[in-house]
Amino acid sequence: QVQLQESGPGLVKPSGTLSLTCAVSGGSVSSSNWWGWVRQPPGVGLEWIGQIYHSGSTNYNPSLKSRLTISVDKSKNQFSLKLSSVTAADTAVYYCARDGGYNYDYWGQGTLVTVSS
Amino acid sequence: QSALTQPASVSGSPGQSITISCTGTSSDVGGYNYVSWYQQHPGKAPKLMIYEVSNRPSGVSNRFSGSKSGNTASLTISGLQAEDEADYYCSSYTSSSTWVFGGGTKLTVL
Repeated sequence: QVQLQESGPGLVKPSGTLSLTCAVSGGSVSSSNWWGWVRQPPGVGLEWIGQIYHSGSTNYNPSLKSRLTISVDKSKNQFSLKLSSVTAADTAVYYCARDGGYNYDYWGQGTLVTVSS
Repeated sequence: QSALTQPASVSGSPGQSITISCTGTSSDVGGYNYVSWYQQHPGKAPKLMIYEVSNRPSGVSNRFSGSKSGNTASLTISGLQAEDEADYYCSSYTSSSTWVFGGGTKLTVL
């Protein structure tokens, strides 16, 4: 059973960089899967952020691409998200998930990140 | 990329059937059979209910079914139960090798 766990600061200052890590257990980031990030602002719907393959190939949401970096660390079996120049609009619950083949079949529990001074 | 269009809310009585629509374009829903549906209860992570338009993951009730016609996909829940009350989101692969979600539909079981 694949399990994913997000971790990172719950509070980020405006104009700062939001950094999150997703630890994978019960599976390997080196497997034939993409690994993705999805966020959900309070009371709002889901927004796809981007995803990465173990080779380092990435696909990003065009609206976030200029501020976004997703990376993978095969030695630690985890992948990470960095979003720069954050504003209050980036306040959301951030989920990591596994792409099981054109669908997200395993999800982390989510972590709330608040952008505030 | 624009979000897929879903009704904001639907409702039904226990035992009834409901259908949630998800409308996109030929660059996403209409162009690929990679439409998924997710169920989300309050405070919980989304759960995959349907993938590749009409396939159910192991463990998902056969009361949930999916279909697609042109640029519109649909999720049907038959024999509504109280525990089906949740938010439902569709998602589609796009021609830009990205993913897009619908705005979500709140299902109320009366």
